[in-house]
Amino acid sequence: DTAVSQTPKYLVTQMGNDKSIKCEQNLGHDTMYWYKQDSKKFLKIMFSYNNKELIINETVPNRFSPKSPDKAHLNLHINSLELGDSAVYFCASSQDRPWGRLTDTQYFGPGTRLTVL
Amino acid sequence: GESVGLHLPTLSVQEGDNSIINCAYSNSASDYFIWYKQESGKGPQFIIDIRSNMDKRQGQRVTVLLNKTVKHLSLQIAATQPGDSAVYFCAENISGSRLTFGEGTQLTVNP
Repeated sequence: DTAVSQTPKYLVTQMGNDKSIKCEQNLGHDTMYWYKQDSKKFLKIMFSYNNKELIINETVPNRFSPKSPDKAHLNLHINSLELGDSAVYFCASSQDRPWGRLTDTQYFGPGTRLTVL
Repeated sequence: GESVGLHLPTLSVQEGDNSIINCAYSNSASDYFIWYKQESGKGPQFIIDIRSNMDKRQGQRVTVLLNKTVKHLSLQIAATQPGDSAVYFCAENISGSRLTFGEGTQLTVNP
């Protein structure tokens, strides 16, 4: 059984298009995250949601909009895609809120490789 | 084989040797540290963690050492196997904040 799943695994699209990446976790976790991994493998957090509430919003262009219909899902919608958006996007989840006490281990999905042409 | 801080992003070892991957973290207030392994085409996978009230923690074939004085973290892998080939990330966390990942070290195990 897949704990954190993402779809699609690969996404190739033209500049200017709008696309969405979906994420689901079946771990019963309260907190979900989106990370961007660049070509040098550097992982940077973009967003975090706890029980459908946005709690971390890094400096990310407002073309990126996360949506959490319920605590098991965190989707990422990207408008007007640009070449620089090409990267691997990872969804992750953890049990607890990322503040108040030590953060629990984050479990990552398999990633979505986005290529903008 | 051993990597030195984050200035040597690659480490190549022979199968059966021990590997040491080093990480210099940035924030002296960090109190939780995790090592992740990322195989090609996959997401990061939790290996082992350590809280700041500990100096050492052991898992199966892996040991994490924490030196808070010099803000240094290391991952030791015993009897390295080809399946250990991956990129290894250290991550630090301050209670009440987000996880910050290091640069990553590519470990290559030669048969």
